[in-house]
Amino acid sequence: RKEVEQDPGPFNVPEGATVAFNCTYSNSASQSFFWYRQDCRKEPKLLMSVYSSGNEDGRFTAQLNRASQYISLLIRDSKLSDSATYLCVVTRPGSARQLTFGSGTQLTVLP
Amino acid sequence: EAGVTQSPTHLIKTRGQQATLRCSPISGHTSVYWYQQALGLGLQFLLWYDEGEERNRGNFPPRFSGRQFPNYSSELNVNALELEDSALYLCASSLVAQYHNEQFFGPGTRLTVL
Repeated sequence: RKEVEQDPGPFNVPEGATVAFNCTYSNSASQSFFWYRQDCRKEPKLLMSVYSSGNEDGRFTAQLNRASQYISLLIRDSKLSDSATYLCVVTRPGSARQLTFGSGTQLTVLP
Repeated sequence: EAGVTQSPTHLIKTRGQQATLRCSPISGHTSVYWYQQALGLGLQFLLWYDEGEERNRGNFPPRFSGRQFPNYSSELNVNALELEDSALYLCASSLVAQYHNEQFFGPGTRLTVL
């Protein structure tokens, strides 16, 4: 089983749609959680950290369920510029500095 | 504030040669991380340096090595290059003191081994 698993995608949605991505992680001792976005052939950019209480940043909402080892990202009112690959990332237990990346979910927002 | 910088942008080598990739972290960041992203694959952790010391390494052979300089910049060396080393090599930096260890990435060096 992979350490971090994501919806395989791709997701193709119209502008203005709401889209949700899910991610599960295998090790219950993981401590920190993030969503990054990566545009084609570019570096990953930190979208948001995910906190136990859930957090929101504009159109983006992240949720963490430690009991189910599940992380989600909700994007409301999708924009064309949201088209990217979204990476679910967790820190490896015992090595808080080492990030483990999911394989990513590709999102295309259509006009 | 300047972000993480990497050089060169592209590097072309032949099998058996050595490659050296460079990274400068965000000012004030002392931790530097190296990742490999091969075509169609996810990011794989390579190495973590902090305060000039190697703190952790991923599941890569010893021919992948590096160092961190007193100014916190870092170098990744790949010896005896193999075709499968062709990939995007990404460097990231973070503040050690920050609990959540948010890492910020540079634009990467695309290494092609012929």
